[in-house]
Amino acid sequence: ETGVTQTPRHLVMGMTNKKSLKCEQHLGHNAMYWYKQSAKKPLELMFVYSLEERVENNSVPSRFSPECPNSSHLFLHLHTLQPEDSALYLCASSQDAGGRAETQYFGPGTRLLVL
Amino acid sequence: GENVEQHPSTLSVQEGDSAVIKCTYSDSASNYFPWYKQELGKGPQLIIDIRSNVGEKKDQRIAVTLNKTAKHFSLHITETQPEDSAVYFCAAMNGQGADGLTFGKGTHLIIQP
Repeated sequence: ETGVTQTPRHLVMGMTNKKSLKCEQHLGHNAMYWYKQSAKKPLELMFVYSLEERVENNSVPSRFSPECPNSSHLFLHLHTLQPEDSALYLCASSQDAGGRAETQYFGPGTRLLVL
Repeated sequence: GENVEQHPSTLSVQEGDSAVIKCTYSDSASNYFPWYKQELGKGPQLIIDIRSNVGEKKDQRIAVTLNKTAKHFSLHITETQPEDSAVYFCAAMNGQGADGLTFGKGTHLIIQP
């Protein structure tokens, strides 16, 4: 276990549904990240939060909406997704973001299927 | 931005032999290079990392080398075992900003018994 948990582990949703992914880290870190992992493609950074403020948004469509209520929790709200959004969504955390390179610890991911 | 290329995409070796995975990066300002192992149904797990102030780092059967001039780094696994079978990802990061890691596409390592 890395100290980063994600729920749910699997999610099937229709294109008109609204759902949320949850990430929690028990490491006392200040930075949290969302990545998308699709088959045959590198992990893609979606969002970076540092001390609960969003510091990076890599041109992610607005149908993905992140929320970081505190330094231990990170959510990804999903709304009117497309089938091509089906992927493994990974959460990670690090001690800090920016300033110097930090080791990131990943959760197990949420496998999302959009029908 | 950073671009990381990783080769090969699939590597099959006999148990007990060595495996080498290679990555190149484009941003000369990158200074942190971790390697992750991802098993089926799990998230990536850090196995070793190297920072730009050293050229080589070793941890038991795993070693990483870094050539800053050529902008490439490699993962070496010796005496491979069946539990080494997984997908391995290299990554690079520029520690000056708030960017996350830029990953390679991954190498599926298969250890043949």
